[in-house]
Amino acid sequence: DTGVSQDPRHKITKRGQNVTFRCDPISEHNRLYWYRQTLGQGPEFLTYFQNEAQLEKSRLLSDRFSAERPKGSFSTLEIQRTEQGDSAMYLCASSLGAPLNYGYTFGSGTRLTVV
Amino acid sequence: EDQVTQSPEALRLQEGESSSLNCSYTVSGLRGLFWYRQDPGKGPEFLFTLYSAGEEKEKERLKATLTKKESFLHITAPKPEDSATYLCAAFSGSARQLTFGSGTQLTVLP
Repeated sequence: DTGVSQDPRHKITKRGQNVTFRCDPISEHNRLYWYRQTLGQGPEFLTYFQNEAQLEKSRLLSDRFSAERPKGSFSTLEIQRTEQGDSAMYLCASSLGAPLNYGYTFGSGTRLTVV
Repeated sequence: EDQVTQSPEALRLQEGESSSLNCSYTVSGLRGLFWYRQDPGKGPEFLFTLYSAGEEKEKERLKATLTKKESFLHITAPKPEDSATYLCAAFSGSARQLTFGSGTQLTVLP
């Protein structure tokens, strides 16, 4: 068990560019979550997958954001036409089953800076 | 809409000086109240889940308690290595995800 892995750890991009982040959950975990955290705030929910199905999306997830989880393993989060307001830490978490019973394990995040 | 509020925003303690962090919540049907610890540049690390009012859980110098409206994280005789941001989060009956508070940044001075 190597934990939840996120790549890259840091990303600096120019406004208007597209970026993609990857999350590798703990191997047997079928649930995967994306959260966004800005400085001094708690994480905010973005989207949730159970296996390969995207079951819920927050209204924070504008049409510039898209997430996938092909084959129910790793997941990618893409942001198109980045804006300065997208600068944040993007956190991925996974769970073996119902979070109330199994909890969430978070990765160390990808810090995005849009300049 | 579920809301979670933490206080204080920041807390500085001397080593050995006990204190409590507060987490008040307004959610539709609380199913669980989570506490996490977050170190700078890292993701949140799970500490406790509390499920019903009156429940208490302990881990080393930390004890979490839950009432119908709030949760407390009590820190007894803290050490500098306890310095971190402590986050609480609610899982409600209507949601399939956690709603986090903004956290309390704890600094323990030697």
